[in-house]
Amino acid sequence: EDQVTQSPEALRLQEGESSSLNCSYTVSGLRGLFWYRQDPGKGPEFLFTLYSAGEEKEKERLKATLTKKESFLHITAPKPEDSATYLCAPVNTDKLIFGTGTRLQVFP
Amino acid sequence: GAGVSQTPSNKVTEKGKYVELRCDPISGHTALYWYRQSLGQGPEFLIYFQGTGAADDSGLPNDRFFAVRPEGSVSTLKIQRTERGDSAVYLCASSLNGWTDTQYFGPGTRLTVL
Repeated sequence: EDQVTQSPEALRLQEGESSSLNCSYTVSGLRGLFWYRQDPGKGPEFLFTLYSAGEEKEKERLKATLTKKESFLHITAPKPEDSATYLCAPVNTDKLIFGTGTRLQVFP
Repeated sequence: GAGVSQTPSNKVTEKGKYVELRCDPISGHTALYWYRQSLGQGPEFLIYFQGTGAADDSGLPNDRFFAVRPEGSVSTLKIQRTERGDSAVYLCASSLNGWTDTQYFGPGTRLTVL
């Protein structure tokens, strides 16, 4: 059975305090992994797609990395506007299997 | 350009009633997905359309749930004999051709079954 675990469940950071979010997965037929950001009351917003182990992608203060068993989302010098829930979603065949997310709060 | 839109934004119904939720994907996107998200959980896959046909409906929880996309654009998710456990936010997403392309999500429909 496919399993996706995100940790920590919640994270509070001071503005400028860098950290990493973890996504561990056991997914058969893994074909890629997506990261999304979700603000309260809104649909998920796309951040990154990673297709193979060793791949890295960056966007502003965010960097996503992928290994065979897990993915990390690194946040460098976060700002309050980075506060959101971050969701990872490995792809099984043709569908995304979402984790429960990490709820990030960044305080000024 | 216009993103994915969903109507209604909120729907309150009584147990046992029938509901329809509508999704308007981004123009030109051939792939359309439905997800269900309960409080504190990530979105849960329900069904994937490629054009007019359901390419993967393995996530539909039971035969009370049904979805159509008759002309390959707008999709309707239909729930019969609603139950309190059906209460959730129903999200729709579309992508250009399939799973390798970015899925763009709508704002969701919040369904409450009393």
